[in-house]
Amino acid sequence: KNEVEQSPQNLTAQEGEFITINCSYSVGISALHWLQQHPGGGIVSLFMLSSGKKKHGRLIATINIQEKHSSLHITASHPRDSAVYICAVREKGPDKLIFGTGTRLQVFP
Amino acid sequence: DGGITQSPKYLFRKEGQNVTLSCEQNLNHDAMYWYRQDPGQGLRLIYYSQIVNDFQKGDIAEGYSVSREKKESFPLTVTSAQKNPTAFYLCATGRGQETQYFGPGTRLLVL
Repeated sequence: KNEVEQSPQNLTAQEGEFITINCSYSVGISALHWLQQHPGGGIVSLFMLSSGKKKHGRLIATINIQEKHSSLHITASHPRDSAVYICAVREKGPDKLIFGTGTRLQVFP
Repeated sequence: DGGITQSPKYLFRKEGQNVTLSCEQNLNHDAMYWYRQDPGQGLRLIYYSQIVNDFQKGDIAEGYSVSREKKESFPLTVTSAQKNPTAFYLCATGRGQETQYFGPGTRLLVL
């Protein structure tokens, strides 16, 4: 079983829809990251959080440390949001990230 | 312009050949990382370096080698011992417990 699980693996939506991507993990962590990977391959960091909730524009990330679960929400989705969204956790102790397999999102006009 | 550059964007390797992927940064970050990405799998750590002249093996170091002679540079060599090198390779930098910053990646293909 992977230490970081994401769901769903693939997601399609119509423009304007509210999107939720989930991430569950099984190890003790010091922080959780949400990353965005566009078709060209480059990865951009969206959020790093260790508790509560963060918001940036139409993106909202939440984390529940007790339940070992995080969600990434996209409000009023747009075709330019189409990308792979990756959850990664920084395990307590080792200086390394453990990555989920990603959620591929396609938003159609 | 601050950032991370990786070259080349595409690299072709012949059987038995060693190839070197370049990663350069001007963010003044101490830590640098090499990841491998395969379809349907999460990124996996190959090697990382937290300071110049020091580096540690990651989860899949076999068949790879690195050096860290300068803070700005962390080249990765894919040796002939790596039997399945076709993948997308990403370099990243970081500082302490902050987020990591990723380069644009190099796609390695075997001829």
